[in-house]
Amino acid sequence: GAGVSQTPSNKVTEKGKYVELRCDPISGHTALYWYRQSLGQGPEFLIYFQGTGAADDSGLPNDRFFAVRPEGSVSTLKIQRTERGDSAVYLCASSLSGLETQYFGPGTRLLVL
Amino acid sequence: AQSVTQPDIHITVSEGASLELRCNYSYGATPYLFWYVQSPGQGLQLLLKYFSGDTLVQGIKGFEAEFKRSQSSFNLRKPSVHWSDAAEYFCAVGPASGTYKYIFGTGTRLKVLA
Repeated sequence: GAGVSQTPSNKVTEKGKYVELRCDPISGHTALYWYRQSLGQGPEFLIYFQGTGAADDSGLPNDRFFAVRPEGSVSTLKIQRTERGDSAVYLCASSLSGLETQYFGPGTRLLVL
Repeated sequence: AQSVTQPDIHITVSEGASLELRCNYSYGATPYLFWYVQSPGQGLQLLLKYFSGDTLVQGIKGFEAEFKRSQSSFNLRKPSVHWSDAAEYFCAVGPASGTYKYIFGTGTRLKVLA
């Protein structure tokens, strides 16, 4: 079946702009994670959804970052007033539940100029 | 606080040689431990995981890892490396009790010489 998909695959924006990154999880997966991967680093946890609710948003770096999952499937990561330091690959993963194997998408590469 | 250390940033081995990638963790209880592989242009793929039980864990693609509590280690091994194993490997731990936060190491980039 289809894996986790993320759109766009690449996004270039200017400092101060607003961006939205989309994640389509595997059908039936109730758990969804967002991670950020900077160059030369491992993925850094941002937020975890169980169904529609954000069960753990402790990894969001500041209030410019927000994520939603209104119907318990597709999720959108929203970044306001982007800064150059936000440039990274944003990864989405889904799993059947919080402790099951996570399946990662290919990521969205965000470049803030 | 949880942490994961992968001491080797780069490792180069010859095709057919054995491989060991090191991972050390800091965790307050029995950890859940994972190894992932990331190939260029590919998403992260789970190689294996340890939750409990047998400390030697078998994974996909011929990889195995051994959990050693006394050394706080979870090293990844493969007896004979193939050129297609060239990739970046990440060790991860988590989640900590009461959270859903997984911590990843900084990765080890494996180069395979023909």
